[in-house]
Amino acid sequence: TQLLEQSPQFLSIQEGENLTVYCNSSSVFSSLQWYRQEPGEGPVLLVTVVTGGEVKKLKRLTFQFGDARKDSSLHITAAQPGDTGLYLCAGARGNKLVFGAGTILRVKS
Amino acid sequence: ETGVTQTPRHLVMGMTNKKSLKCEQHLGHNAMYWYKQSAKKPLELMFVYSLEERVENNSVPSRFSPECPNSSHLFLHLHTLQPEDSALYLCASSLLAGTDTQYFGPGTRLTVL
Repeated sequence: TQLLEQSPQFLSIQEGENLTVYCNSSSVFSSLQWYRQEPGEGPVLLVTVVTGGEVKKLKRLTFQFGDARKDSSLHITAAQPGDTGLYLCAGARGNKLVFGAGTILRVKS
Repeated sequence: ETGVTQTPRHLVMGMTNKKSLKCEQHLGHNAMYWYKQSAKKPLELMFVYSLEERVENNSVPSRFSPECPNSSHLFLHLHTLQPEDSALYLCASSLLAGTDTQYFGPGTRLTVL
């Protein structure tokens, strides 16, 4: 079993739709990072959440860290084709970052 | 050049070949990492270097041999690989080893025939 479970594994939606992807664990993390990886590139950090219950917004993207710091969600409003990519969450535990397997998002125009 | 660069971007090799992957970071970071990325699997941390010293080796087979000659350069030497080693190999760097934000290169897509 994976320490960080991401769901769904794959999501294909039309431009303009809203979506939420999830990152869940039974373990507590001191912080959680979200990365986006576009085809042919490496992951790029989008945001880091640190406090339980924290909500951060990055334009149309809203990130939430669970109260117990075991889970996180990423909500995208009015998705655009440029949002297409692999979304990875990574939890900080001790002195290590643990990555999930990611959610592949495809936004069709 | 800025950020983290990796060469080559694509590599096809036979099981008896010897090749090397190169990573260079221009960010002044002290830590560098090698990851293996396979479809539908989490990123697998292979090696971590902090100030040119290996601080983590996650049970990686000896056919993968890392080298960090200085804090800006990282190599992954490959020999007698298996087809299941085919994957995207990502290099990353961070200011300090551990949970600092990691900056990734574009990866090397490796195919082992």
